[in-house]
Amino acid sequence: GAGVSQSPRYKVAKRGQDVALRCDPISGHVSLFWYQQALGQGPEFLTYFQNEAQLDKSGLPSDRFFAERPEGSVSTLKIQRTQQEDSAVYLCASSLEGPRPQHFGDGTRLSIL
Amino acid sequence: RKEVEQDPGPFNVPEGATVAFNCTYSNSASQSFFWYRQDCRKEPKLLMSVYSSGNEDGRFTAQLNRASQYISLLIRDSKLSDSATYLCVVNRKATGFQKLVFGTGTRLLVSP
Repeated sequence: GAGVSQSPRYKVAKRGQDVALRCDPISGHVSLFWYQQALGQGPEFLTYFQNEAQLDKSGLPSDRFFAERPEGSVSTLKIQRTQQEDSAVYLCASSLEGPRPQHFGDGTRLSIL
Repeated sequence: RKEVEQDPGPFNVPEGATVAFNCTYSNSASQSFFWYRQDCRKEPKLLMSVYSSGNEDGRFTAQLNRASQYISLLIRDSKLSDSATYLCVVNRKATGFQKLVFGTGTRLLVSP
């Protein structure tokens, strides 16, 4: 079925490089969320989009993190000047508008060397 | 202190055993509650919602105590396929949307 699709599945980058992670939500899902999951931890909220509007970015760890969803469908999470502490799984989730269940993608496993 | 606290485990149980997980949350404004299941290197998947009256789904029973800010999950007749991490999740209203707050997860290992 057409679930939430994330790419790449794995990304290895050297410290200081910029990376871009892509999320393709379920068609018709208005809400889109990004989460960061460190090893042994639960997912932590990063940011939320309603259509193309970024309504909450309170979870972004620093100004090196930037997310966009320009046409209200595909979203990109960009991390500039990566640091080792950015190593984590980045999960994207989407849902219909309102308090509906969130459907998660498989995530992108980011490793910073 | 984390907003949602769980014992990380692991809980090692034999097949057929009954196992219970507990979770506490600190934000009294939390509006709804869930258990998610996460298999190794996979995404979290909704297992069940948790209601004040308690609710059951097959071998799984969830309970919520709002006064104590406490959530539980009971698994009866454990199967090998129940081995996973169980995430306690609260949903609290942020500006314009519902924000999910996850616990660290409790790892369950069911052995033959």
